Parts: sequence; C-alpha cells; structure tokens
Amino acid sequence: GAVVSQHPSRVICKSGTSVKIECRSLDFQATTMFWYRQFPKQSLMLMATSNEGSKATYEQGVEKDKFLINHASLTLSTLTVTSAHPEDSSFYICSARDRPGTGATGELFFGEGSRLTVL
Amino acid sequence: QQQVKQSPQSLIVQKGGISIINCAYENTAFDYFPWYQQFPGKGPALLIAIRPDVSEKKEGRFTISFNKSAKQFSLHIMDSQPGDSATYFCAASQGEGNSGAGSYQLTFGKGTKLSVIP
Repeated sequence: GAVVSQHPSRVICKSGTSVKIECRSLDFQATTMFWYRQFPKQSLMLMATSNEGSKATYEQGVEKDKFLINHASLTLSTLTVTSAHPEDSSFYICSARDRPGTGATGELFFGEGSRLTVL
Repeated sequence: QQQVKQSPQSLIVQKGGISIINCAYENTAFDYFPWYQQFPGKGPALLIAIRPDVSEKKEGRFTISFNKSAKQFSLHIMDSQPGDSATYFCAASQGEGNSGAGSYQLTFGKGTKLSVIP
C-alpha cells in the first residue's frame, strides 16, 4: 500500500531555534497533504492543509508565521516550526492523499509522526 | 464545538471478548466515516471505513455499524486480542461524493484507549 514517510521521527532543539519536518509520499503523488498536532493522550488536531503549488490553508488559531508549510512538489511537504518554544513540544503527524485516478484510491495515508521536544 | 463525540474514553476487555466503541456526529453532511488504530509513538493507520449508504461493513474481526437516523456509528472488534491494544479514533469527513474511498479533511473523535488483557 501507499506509504507516507516523515523525517525526523524525533527531534530535540533549543528554545528559539527553528525545526523542519519533512513529509514524503513514497509511491504516489499527493496533491493534498495535511499536518496535525497531537498532545499526549489526546486526539489529532488539524493544523493546516497543504496544497501543491499554492499557499497552505491554516485552521483557526494556528499561526501561519509560526508554522511554515511548503508543498513544493507532489511528493514533499515540509513543516517548519520557527522560533520554537517549549509549548511547541508535541507530536506532529502528516497525512497525504493520493490523487484519484487510475490505480489510486484517493485514500488518506498517515506518516509515522515526528516527536518534537523544545528545551 | 466537538463535531464527533467518541466513547468510552478507555476500555478494558478480556481476550476473546468483544470490544465496542461508539461515535456520534452532528454534521449531516458527513459522508465518510473511517476508524483509525494508533499505537504509541506511531501515526494512525486506517482500520476500516464506511459510507452512509450501508448500515454495516465487516472486515475480518472488525465491523462498523452505522445508524444514519441516529447519527451514530460504532466499531466492534470480535475475538479481541492483546495485540489489538491501542488507541482507536473514529473520524468523519464530508464532500467525498462518489469520488471513491478518499478521505478529505477529517474531524476526529477524542479517541478510545483499548486494553485487551490475557
């Protein structure tokens, strides 16, 4: 089945630095990717929808200047947490939808997640 | 406003028993209802999904029951095994139409932590 890869799986950084998380669709083209944030023992909260070649759409309450999203190709979206602070520590998960068409289901596939710890 | 309410928050089931998790939704425009399984430190994985044109879908030990009039759907895990111990999330999305099994912008329930004891 389709695979979505996230990197890094774990990252620890100092307060004030920026961290980039990559989300790749390995064997399909993803016109749409989603970024979620998950706190311990809680559900996934949609942060933004990333569309290839256009600006991301952010959910209410998510700072777009804080969480920079770039979807430069059909297989790669990146989330950059700028000037990270301890309250940004969380589990970030991406998902990608393969483009409906021949051989594709349009199904949503999730990455393995990236654990960010800001000291 | 929580659009998908999930219960129970946690569930303990004996090995071989039936695990039942319930979800209720408010938005009648929802037309795709997937269930996801998540192990600690991992991303969610699609388990089974249903559309509102059917009342039940079964895949192996997993069954979704759907009640459109009550705006409720549930996951049943038959012959529960310790390896089923995980957190389960129901979700819903709208606007899929007949485009296929795709799931667009999902609204998740809060999750149910299932523990299957030997």
